[in-house]
Amino acid sequence: GAVVSQHPSWVICKSGTSVKIECRSLDFQATTMFWYRQFPKQSLMLMATSNEGSKATYEQGVEKDKFLINHASLTLSTLTVTSAHPEDSSFYICSAIPLTDNEQFFGPGTRLTVL
Amino acid sequence: SQKIEQNSEALNIQEGKTATLTCNYTNYSPAYLQWYRQDPGRGPVFLLLIRENEKEKRKERLKVTFDTTLKQSLFHITASQPADSATYLCALDEGNTGFQKLVFGTGTRLLVSP
Repeated sequence: GAVVSQHPSWVICKSGTSVKIECRSLDFQATTMFWYRQFPKQSLMLMATSNEGSKATYEQGVEKDKFLINHASLTLSTLTVTSAHPEDSSFYICSAIPLTDNEQFFGPGTRLTVL
Repeated sequence: SQKIEQNSEALNIQEGKTATLTCNYTNYSPAYLQWYRQDPGRGPVFLLLIRENEKEKRKERLKVTFDTTLKQSLFHITASQPADSATYLCALDEGNTGFQKLVFGTGTRLLVSP
């Protein structure tokens, strides 16, 4: 089956630093990947849609200069949280859609804690 | 305003019984609705998709219904097992932005006791 990985699985950083999270589709190619954020006991909230070779589309209220997304290949998208603050602490989840399918496959998530 | 509502209270049932979870939505016209399972600290895992023109879908012990008039989907797990304990999320497409953009409910936690 289609597998999506994320790295790192968890990260702790100091306030003001930047953190990069990778999302990889391991056994399929994906032109579209999505980035979600989930706070405790809350729903997954879509942050942005990442398309290979073009700029990401951000949801309303998501700062594109703070959450930098790069989708440089058909198997890799990265999310960089710049100048992280404690309120950015959350569970970040990516998903990917195979070229030949419409089903979204989710990664295992990355737990970010900003001190 | 647009809302997707799932029962925020945990559902506790005895092993072997049927679990029924509810997903209600307002101000959406989804072409399809999906159900996912999420374990603590993990990403969602796809379970079932039901389209607007389908009333019911089954997969092994799982059954989903979709009533576009009531704007409601029901998710059933028959012969439930302790391993079914998890949070179950419903998700629907926004209806006018393409096939792939999903909006998720907050999920219902299911606890199956031996």
